[in-house]
Amino acid sequence: DAKTTQPPSMDCAEGRAANLPCNHSTISGNEYVYWYRQIHSQGPQYIIHGLKNNETNEMASLIITEDRKSSTLILPHATLRDTAVYYCIVKAQGGSEKLVFGKGTKLTVNP
Amino acid sequence: EPEVTQTPSHQVTQMGQEVILRCVPISNHLYFYWYRQILGQKVEFLVSFYNNEISEKSEIFDDQFSVERPDGSNFTLKIRSTKLEDSAMYFCASSTVVGGGNEQFFGPGTRLTVL
Repeated sequence: DAKTTQPPSMDCAEGRAANLPCNHSTISGNEYVYWYRQIHSQGPQYIIHGLKNNETNEMASLIITEDRKSSTLILPHATLRDTAVYYCIVKAQGGSEKLVFGKGTKLTVNP
Repeated sequence: EPEVTQTPSHQVTQMGQEVILRCVPISNHLYFYWYRQILGQKVEFLVSFYNNEISEKSEIFDDQFSVERPDGSNFTLKIRSTKLEDSAMYFCASSTVVGGGNEQFFGPGTRLTVL
């Protein structure tokens, strides 16, 4: 089963920042935090990943707490097209390469 | 931007028939995966493939399933004798490396309907 906990749903106003939390209290030292999203029934889309430092790319920012037990994905200016299910996944470096998807957070961006 | 492609987008078959789902991974990727998602349920890992052999498979991936990389570009999933419960979206994914930098890029999926 997934080793992360996410709220089942969140709403955000268009143009505002969307902050999606994830708890991974049992994360190990060699496990990365990955974020993917799935728009409707399309294939999951990679967003960002990190180990312990905060990360930013053209899509989002990832803030990982110092103890690494939780993280937040930030979409700085949410648009209607960001409405999707967002998955937070922890995966170790080495070992199994499978991604274990949980139920994720359904983010609805409202006009 | 390079992307994973899958064909067909929708496959309808009769129970007991064989189906082959096709994927073209991103060209410089070396690791390939199949996942499936039954309607309304989670995305589930089926199998990973590297260097022309299966590197990991899940309990779902039983003897009815097989994967193959028949040439330098295609990666296929075969279901030998389909069951009603095989109806799902099947996603192919690929990555360049494994480990910490293993971003897997997914295709759009094939919707398999078994009647």
